[in-house]
Amino acid sequence: AQKVTQAQTEISVVEKEDVTLDCVYETRDTTYYLFWYKQPPSGELVFLIRRNSFDEQNEISGRYSWNFQKSTSSFNFTITASQVVDSAVYFCALSEERSSNTGKLIFGQGTTLQVKP
Amino acid sequence: DAGVIQSPRHEVTEMGQEVTLRCKPISGHDYLFWYRQTMMRGLELLIYFNNNVPIDDSGMPEDRFSAKMPNASFSTLKIQPSEPRDSAVYFCASSKGGGELFFGEGSRLTVL
Repeated sequence: AQKVTQAQTEISVVEKEDVTLDCVYETRDTTYYLFWYKQPPSGELVFLIRRNSFDEQNEISGRYSWNFQKSTSSFNFTITASQVVDSAVYFCALSEERSSNTGKLIFGQGTTLQVKP
Repeated sequence: DAGVIQSPRHEVTEMGQEVTLRCKPISGHDYLFWYRQTMMRGLELLIYFNNNVPIDDSGMPEDRFSAKMPNASFSTLKIQPSEPRDSAVYFCASSKGGGELFFGEGSRLTVL
């Protein structure tokens, strides 16, 4: 069965600290897709990244970086030099191959990140 | 471009009443999703449409829930009769496929 686990329920850091949000997934498929979404206080979820299971290269986008390791079934998200505006709930999600074109996602429970000034 | 538009943003109703949530997807998006978010169960996919056709409604809790998409620019999620356990935030999302979903701001439903 497919499952996404975000063990960290809440994380609190002080501005400018680096923070890593953990994501562990389970799937029987060899082809699958992993995602991160951000849910700011306004409520709507915002897409951050999509990775497929054949691409284990780390991704960097500004202060955001993602570390995908198939050996540990993890897809962790790091924010460097965190800012107050990064405060949000972050969701990791999984889509299996047969759902890849549709966007049918299985979400983790989310990690609430609070960045204090 | 306008994003996904949902209405109402907040709805408070009494048990047994009918509730209708509305969604206008982004123009040109072929897929429309209804998700429900609760503290206990997190984000759950209720149903999704492709080109206005319901593809997978396995997440719809029970017969009290129904969803329609009469055209490419409008969808509704109806709960009749509503129950307190239906209290949640209901999100509509649209996409061109591939998993990059564009979410609306959600409709917060409270059933007393």
